[in-house]
Formats: sequence, structure tokens, C-alpha cells
Amino acid sequence: GAGVSQSPSNKVTEKGKDVELRCDPISGHTALYWYRQSLGQGLEFLIYFQGNSAPDKSGLPSDRFSAERTGGSVSTLTIQRTQQEDSAVYLCASSFRQGEAFFGQGTRLTVV
Amino acid sequence: AQSVTQLGSHVSVSEGALVLLRCNYSSSVPPYLFWYVQYPNQGLQLLLKYTTGATLVKGINGFEAEFKKSETSFHLTKPSAHMSDAAEYFCAVTPYSSASKIIFGSGTRLSIRP
Repeated sequence: GAGVSQSPSNKVTEKGKDVELRCDPISGHTALYWYRQSLGQGLEFLIYFQGNSAPDKSGLPSDRFSAERTGGSVSTLTIQRTQQEDSAVYLCASSFRQGEAFFGQGTRLTVV
Repeated sequence: AQSVTQLGSHVSVSEGALVLLRCNYSSSVPPYLFWYVQYPNQGLQLLLKYTTGATLVKGINGFEAEFKKSETSFHLTKPSAHMSDAAEYFCAVTPYSSASKIIFGSGTRLSIRP
């Protein structure tokens, strides 16, 4: 596609349920990033992929969060046993050149 | 370790006035520096970047930024603000020496007064 695609765009889930967020990066982009943006807050780094490997997953808040990337393309971010504090906009970005990231529109997650 | 500090979470200027958004970084290795912009209800997009070479870089929509190593700064400016510049602006840094995560500042919300 022309840009980074994220799905779903909105997700409302009950506390304690698992959710899976998907990111389709721009074709050929080797790097992929996940960030979290809470209301009025900056971008909180979650995890970074280079190809299928995740050399930096230091931002994952707890072991309830995990992510994978397959075929050097699609990535999924999974949150298990969701909590209300997980409510935020989850942003995915991909890049070909160091730091020049193209962002998706994000998935707005609401935990009720 | 790298970090980015944006001074002022909210800046308000009059239409036609100078825009100055401040960014300071700390890095143990030479960095690449970026400004991203997030318009209301839109995704983030790259505004401009500094990698190597000329320290004054120009971006889209008339914005520019100057890398000052001695001051560890990368402030964003625009000579004359337009109503359409109202947005959230993020400064970001990544080390040039290796592929790595991008570290973002906390953002500055720019408002334009008519």
C-alpha cells in the first residue's frame, strides 16, 4: 500500500480481555516501531524491529505486552489481560532510512 | 543514553509572528535530529531532518531548524505563522552510528491567534 496501515482503527475491550493490534508497514521498510500515545502525552517507545528481530524491546511496560513481526513485514502487538491504564493510541511506524519514520493513523484502544 | 527535551508544552503566537519551538538533546554519540508534526486528527509526519552536512535545514511549509552542537540544540523556526500551522510538534533523536529506536520529546502544542 501507499502508507503504513493499522487495524483496527478503534478497539473497545473489556478489562481482562486480550487484544491484538496489527500493523502493515510500507513495503521494503526494514525497520518497524511501536509507540503509545496517551491523552496529552508524548510518544512512549514500546518496541523496535529490524527485519524480524527485535533488538530493542525495552519499552514494553510489562510481560502482558508482546509483539512479533513475520516475513519482515506485518507486525502484531498483543496485550494480554488488558487493564484500564492500557487505554491509549497505539502508533506503528516503519522506515527505510535511520529515523525517517512513516506513521500509521494509529489504533485507539479503550479498556472499559 | 539519548534524550530530548522540548521547552514549553504549549506555545501561542499571533498569525504572522515568528514561531520558535525549542529542542535540546543529550547524546553520547553524534545524533540524527528530526522534527515531526501531528496535525489535529492526523498521523505524525516528518517535517525536517538533520543528518550530516549543512547545519541549517529546511523542511516543509516554510519551517527550518538549525543544529548547534555547542548548545546541543535543534530549535524549529518559521518567520511568519499561519493558521494552518496549529499542530503538535515533536523533536526526535536517533544515533547515526547504528540502527536504533527513535526517541521523541514530549511535544509542543502550537496555537495560532488570529
